[in-house]
Amino acid sequence: DTAVSQTPKYLVTQMGNDKSIKCEQNLGHDTMYWYKQDSKKFLKIMFSYNNKELIINETVPNRFSPKSPDKAHLNLHINSLELGDSAVYFCASSKVVTSTHQYFGAGTRLSVL
Amino acid sequence: DQQVKQNSPSLSVQEGRISILNCDYTNSMFDYFLWYKKYPAEGPTFLISISSIKDKNEDGRFTVFLNKSAKHLSLHIVPSQPGDSAVYFCAASGDTNAGKSTFGDGTTLTVKP
Repeated sequence: DTAVSQTPKYLVTQMGNDKSIKCEQNLGHDTMYWYKQDSKKFLKIMFSYNNKELIINETVPNRFSPKSPDKAHLNLHINSLELGDSAVYFCASSKVVTSTHQYFGAGTRLSVL
Repeated sequence: DQQVKQNSPSLSVQEGRISILNCDYTNSMFDYFLWYKKYPAEGPTFLISISSIKDKNEDGRFTVFLNKSAKHLSLHIVPSQPGDSAVYFCAASGDTNAGKSTFGDGTTLTVKP
């Protein structure tokens, strides 16, 4: 039973399209995150939500909009996709916002053509 | 400006030998450090951590060493096993809040039988 699950695993789409990536955690954690792994393999945080409230919003284009309907879900919606958005996106969760480490999903590989 | 760097993209060792993975950081405000392990098609999983008040932390076959003056940490795996073959990420933060961690770009470890 996967603790942090993301769908889809792969997403291939055309420039200009709008797409969503879903994330769910069944660990009962309060805090969830979205990371982007760029072409140089660095994992960079994009957003963090604690109990459905946005607490971290890094310098991310406003085409990216996270939505947390409840504390077990954190979805990522991307408008007007660009070539540079191609990356692997990881969802993660932690028990509380002050937790020392996170539990990651398997990632969604987004390819924008 | 990458504040956490893993200068060896890959490392290959023989089963039973020691694996040493290195990580350097530039921000002297970092005081909490973690290592994550990632298998293909999976998300990173937490492996071991160390706070700046210590210079060594051990967990079974895994030991992390921290040299604050050199801004360097290393992960030792002894003895290495084929199942240890994975990508290893180090991460650092200014406090224990997981969402504030800065990740390195990973080192791919291959343990040969």
